Amino acid sequence: ETGVTQSPTHLIKTRGQQVTLRCSSQSGHNTVSWYQQALGQGPQFIFQYYREEENGRGNFPPRFSGLQFPNYSSELNVNALELDDSALYLCASSPEAGEATDTQYFGPGTRLTVL
Amino acid sequence: SQQGEEDPQALSIQEGENATMNCSYKTSINNLQWYRQNSGRGLVHLILIRSNEREKHSGRLRVTLDTSKKSSSLLITASRAADTASYFCATGSGTSYGKLTFGQGTILTVHP
Repeated sequence: ETGVTQSPTHLIKTRGQQVTLRCSSQSGHNTVSWYQQALGQGPQFIFQYYREEENGRGNFPPRFSGLQFPNYSSELNVNALELDDSALYLCASSPEAGEATDTQYFGPGTRLTVL
Repeated sequence: SQQGEEDPQALSIQEGENATMNCSYKTSINNLQWYRQNSGRGLVHLILIRSNEREKHSGRLRVTLDTSKKSSSLLITASRAADTASYFCATGSGTSYGKLTFGQGTILTVHP
Protein backbone atom coordinates (compact mmCIF):
# COMPACT_ATOMS: atom_id res chain seq x y z
CA GLU A 1 0.00 0.00 0.00
CA THR A 2 1.48 3.33 -1.09
CA GLY A 3 1.14 6.25 1.30
CA VAL A 4 0.44 9.88 0.49
CA THR A 5 3.19 11.50 -1.54
CA GLN A 6 3.80 15.17 -2.24
CA SER A 7 6.04 17.07 -4.62
CA PRO A 8 8.18 19.03 -4.56
CA THR A 9 9.72 18.73 -1.10
CA HIS A 10 10.94 22.30 -1.01
CA LEU A 11 10.18 25.31 -3.17
CA ILE A 12 11.39 28.90 -3.19
CA LYS A 13 9.36 31.57 -4.98
CA THR A 14 9.26 35.33 -5.05
CA ARG A 15 6.35 37.54 -4.12
CA GLY A 16 3.73 37.79 -6.89
CA GLN A 17 4.63 34.49 -8.53
CA GLN A 18 2.36 31.49 -8.86
CA VAL A 19 2.99 27.98 -7.50
CA THR A 20 1.55 24.50 -8.02
CA LEU A 21 1.94 21.78 -5.42
CA ARG A 22 1.08 18.15 -6.13
CA CYS A 23 -0.29 15.29 -4.06
CA SER A 24 -0.97 11.62 -4.71
CA SER A 25 -3.48 10.09 -2.35
CA GLN A 26 -3.06 6.81 -0.54
CA SER A 27 -4.21 3.78 -2.49
CA GLY A 28 -7.98 3.33 -2.18
CA HIS A 29 -8.63 6.88 -0.91
CA ASN A 30 -10.87 9.14 -2.96
CA THR A 31 -10.74 12.27 -0.85
CA VAL A 32 -7.90 14.77 -0.56
CA SER A 33 -7.62 17.66 1.89
CA TRP A 34 -5.02 20.44 1.92
CA TYR A 35 -3.69 22.21 4.98
CA GLN A 36 -1.34 25.14 5.54
CA GLN A 37 0.96 25.03 8.54
CA ALA A 38 2.83 28.19 9.47
CA LEU A 39 5.92 27.87 11.62
CA GLY A 40 5.03 27.09 15.21
CA GLN A 41 1.33 26.69 14.48
CA GLY A 42 -1.07 23.84 13.93
CA PRO A 43 -2.26 23.03 10.40
CA GLN A 44 -5.13 25.09 9.02
CA PHE A 45 -7.67 23.59 6.61
CA ILE A 46 -7.58 25.08 3.11
CA PHE A 47 -10.07 22.88 1.23
CA GLN A 48 -11.09 19.31 0.45
CA TYR A 49 -11.68 17.59 -2.88
CA TYR A 50 -13.97 14.63 -3.46
CA ARG A 51 -14.83 13.15 -6.84
CA GLU A 52 -12.98 15.98 -8.58
CA GLU A 53 -15.04 18.71 -6.91
CA GLU A 54 -14.33 21.05 -4.02
CA ASN A 55 -16.16 19.61 -1.05
CA GLY A 56 -15.51 22.30 1.53
CA ARG A 57 -13.27 25.29 2.05
CA GLY A 58 -11.59 26.99 4.96
CA ASN A 59 -10.91 30.67 5.45
CA PHE A 60 -8.52 31.16 2.53
CA PRO A 61 -8.82 33.70 -0.33
CA PRO A 62 -9.74 32.67 -3.90
CA ARG A 63 -6.12 32.86 -5.02
CA PHE A 64 -5.83 29.46 -3.33
CA SER A 65 -7.39 26.97 -5.74
CA GLY A 66 -7.19 23.29 -6.40
CA LEU A 67 -7.93 20.38 -8.65
CA GLN A 68 -8.57 16.71 -8.23
CA PHE A 69 -7.96 14.29 -11.08
CA PRO A 70 -9.77 11.03 -11.96
CA ASN A 71 -7.00 9.04 -10.26
CA TYR A 72 -7.73 11.07 -7.07
CA SER A 73 -4.41 12.90 -7.13
CA SER A 74 -4.67 16.61 -6.47
CA GLU A 75 -3.00 19.96 -7.06
CA LEU A 76 -2.95 23.09 -4.93
CA ASN A 77 -2.40 26.33 -6.84
CA VAL A 78 -1.57 29.62 -5.20
CA ASN A 79 -1.55 32.80 -7.28
CA ALA A 80 -0.01 36.17 -6.49
CA LEU A 81 2.17 34.78 -3.72
CA GLU A 82 2.58 36.82 -0.56
CA LEU A 83 5.29 36.60 2.06
CA ASP A 84 2.75 35.17 4.55
CA ASP A 85 2.18 32.21 2.23
CA SER A 86 5.51 30.83 3.40
CA ALA A 87 4.56 27.63 5.21
CA LEU A 88 4.50 23.85 5.13
CA TYR A 89 1.67 22.68 2.88
CA LEU A 90 0.25 19.33 3.85
CA CYS A 91 -1.92 17.03 1.81
CA ALA A 92 -4.04 14.37 3.48
CA SER A 93 -6.17 11.63 2.03
CA SER A 94 -9.07 9.71 3.51
CA PRO A 95 -11.36 6.93 2.35
CA GLU A 96 -14.60 8.91 2.37
CA ALA A 97 -15.86 12.46 2.28
CA GLY A 98 -18.80 14.28 3.76
CA GLU A 99 -18.09 13.84 7.43
CA ALA A 100 -14.96 14.38 9.43
CA THR A 101 -15.24 10.96 11.00
CA ASP A 102 -12.36 9.39 9.19
CA THR A 103 -8.71 9.40 9.98
CA GLN A 104 -6.76 11.51 7.53
CA TYR A 105 -3.41 10.24 6.31
CA PHE A 106 -0.86 12.96 5.73
CA GLY A 107 1.94 13.28 3.26
CA PRO A 108 5.39 14.62 4.17
CA GLY A 109 4.51 18.14 3.06
CA THR A 110 5.96 20.77 0.74
CA ARG A 111 7.94 23.57 2.37
CA LEU A 112 7.22 26.79 0.46
CA THR A 113 9.35 29.86 1.02
CA VAL A 114 8.25 33.17 -0.50
CA LEU A 115 10.96 35.85 -0.75
CA SER B 1 -8.68 29.99 13.55
CA GLN B 2 -7.60 27.26 15.93
CA GLN B 3 -10.30 25.22 17.64
CA GLY B 4 -8.23 23.61 20.29
CA GLU B 5 -5.64 24.66 22.75
CA GLU B 6 -2.99 22.26 23.90
CA ASP B 7 -1.43 22.41 27.30
CA PRO B 8 1.42 22.54 28.03
CA GLN B 9 3.00 24.23 25.00
CA ALA B 10 6.24 22.40 25.76
CA LEU B 11 7.09 19.41 27.94
CA SER B 12 10.53 18.07 28.80
CA ILE B 13 10.91 14.70 30.54
CA GLN B 14 13.38 11.88 31.05
CA GLU B 15 13.16 8.57 29.23
CA GLY B 16 10.92 6.16 31.10
CA GLU B 17 8.67 8.85 32.56
CA ASN B 18 5.07 9.36 31.52
CA ALA B 19 4.01 12.35 29.42
CA THR B 20 0.56 13.89 29.63
CA MET B 21 -0.76 16.45 27.17
CA ASN B 22 -4.13 18.13 27.34
CA CYS B 23 -6.39 19.58 24.68
CA SER B 24 -9.44 21.79 25.01
CA TYR B 25 -11.87 22.66 22.24
CA LYS B 26 -14.80 24.97 21.77
CA THR B 27 -17.56 23.44 19.66
CA SER B 28 -19.37 20.10 19.58
CA ILE B 29 -17.47 17.33 17.86
CA ASN B 30 -17.91 13.93 16.24
CA ASN B 31 -14.43 12.77 17.09
CA LEU B 32 -11.08 13.91 18.38
CA GLN B 33 -7.81 12.70 16.96
CA TRP B 34 -4.19 12.96 18.07
CA TYR B 35 -1.35 13.32 15.61
CA ARG B 36 2.44 13.40 15.97
CA GLN B 37 4.78 15.49 13.85
CA ASN B 38 8.54 15.05 13.71
CA SER B 39 10.72 18.03 12.79
CA GLY B 40 8.15 19.93 10.74
CA ARG B 41 7.34 17.03 8.44
CA GLY B 42 4.08 15.18 7.82
CA LEU B 43 1.66 14.28 10.57
CA VAL B 44 1.29 10.71 11.75
CA HIS B 45 -2.09 9.63 13.06
CA LEU B 46 -1.91 8.19 16.56
CA ILE B 47 -5.43 7.56 17.78
CA LEU B 48 -9.05 8.58 17.20
CA ILE B 49 -11.70 8.73 19.91
CA ARG B 50 -15.36 9.26 19.06
CA SER B 51 -17.66 11.57 20.96
CA ASN B 52 -19.50 8.63 22.58
CA GLU B 53 -16.27 7.13 23.93
CA ARG B 54 -14.57 8.15 27.16
CA GLU B 55 -11.24 6.35 26.99
CA LYS B 56 -9.19 4.55 24.40
CA HIS B 57 -5.86 2.71 24.46
CA SER B 58 -3.32 1.93 21.78
CA GLY B 59 -0.01 0.44 22.88
CA ARG B 60 1.65 2.98 25.20
CA LEU B 61 -0.99 5.61 24.40
CA ARG B 62 -4.07 6.34 26.46
CA VAL B 63 -6.57 8.98 25.39
CA THR B 64 -9.48 10.28 27.41
CA LEU B 65 -12.34 12.47 26.26
CA ASP B 66 -14.67 14.54 28.43
CA THR B 67 -17.29 16.10 26.19
CA SER B 68 -18.93 17.92 29.10
CA LYS B 69 -15.68 19.80 29.70
CA LYS B 70 -14.74 19.85 26.01
CA SER B 71 -11.33 18.44 26.79
CA SER B 72 -9.10 15.48 26.03
CA SER B 73 -5.82 14.17 27.31
CA LEU B 74 -3.09 12.05 25.74
CA LEU B 75 -0.90 9.97 28.02
CA ILE B 76 2.28 8.38 26.72
CA THR B 77 3.60 5.84 29.19
CA ALA B 78 7.24 4.79 29.58
CA SER B 79 8.40 7.44 27.13
CA ARG B 80 11.36 6.93 24.81
CA ALA B 81 13.72 9.38 23.14
CA ALA B 82 12.01 8.46 19.84
CA ASP B 83 8.77 9.97 21.21
CA THR B 84 10.35 13.43 20.91
CA ALA B 85 8.02 15.31 18.56
CA SER B 86 5.16 17.80 18.40
CA TYR B 87 1.75 16.42 19.31
CA PHE B 88 -1.49 17.90 17.98
CA CYS B 89 -5.10 17.28 18.79
CA ALA B 90 -7.58 17.71 15.97
CA THR B 91 -11.35 17.76 16.09
CA GLY B 92 -13.84 16.72 13.47
CA SER B 93 -17.42 17.93 13.33
CA GLY B 94 -20.31 16.34 11.48
CA THR B 95 -21.03 19.60 9.70
CA SER B 96 -17.51 20.32 8.60
CA TYR B 97 -17.25 18.08 5.51
CA GLY B 98 -13.94 16.49 6.35
CA LYS B 99 -12.29 19.50 7.89
CA LEU B 100 -10.03 18.78 10.85
CA THR B 101 -9.42 21.69 13.20
CA PHE B 102 -6.04 21.51 14.90
CA GLY B 103 -4.68 22.98 18.09
CA GLN B 104 -1.29 24.65 18.26
CA GLY B 105 0.44 21.56 19.58
CA THR B 106 2.63 20.44 22.45
CA ILE B 107 6.36 20.06 21.88
CA LEU B 108 7.54 16.97 23.75
CA THR B 109 11.23 16.41 24.41
CA VAL B 110 12.30 13.10 25.93
CA HIS B 111 15.88 13.07 27.19
CA PRO B 112 17.78 9.77 27.05
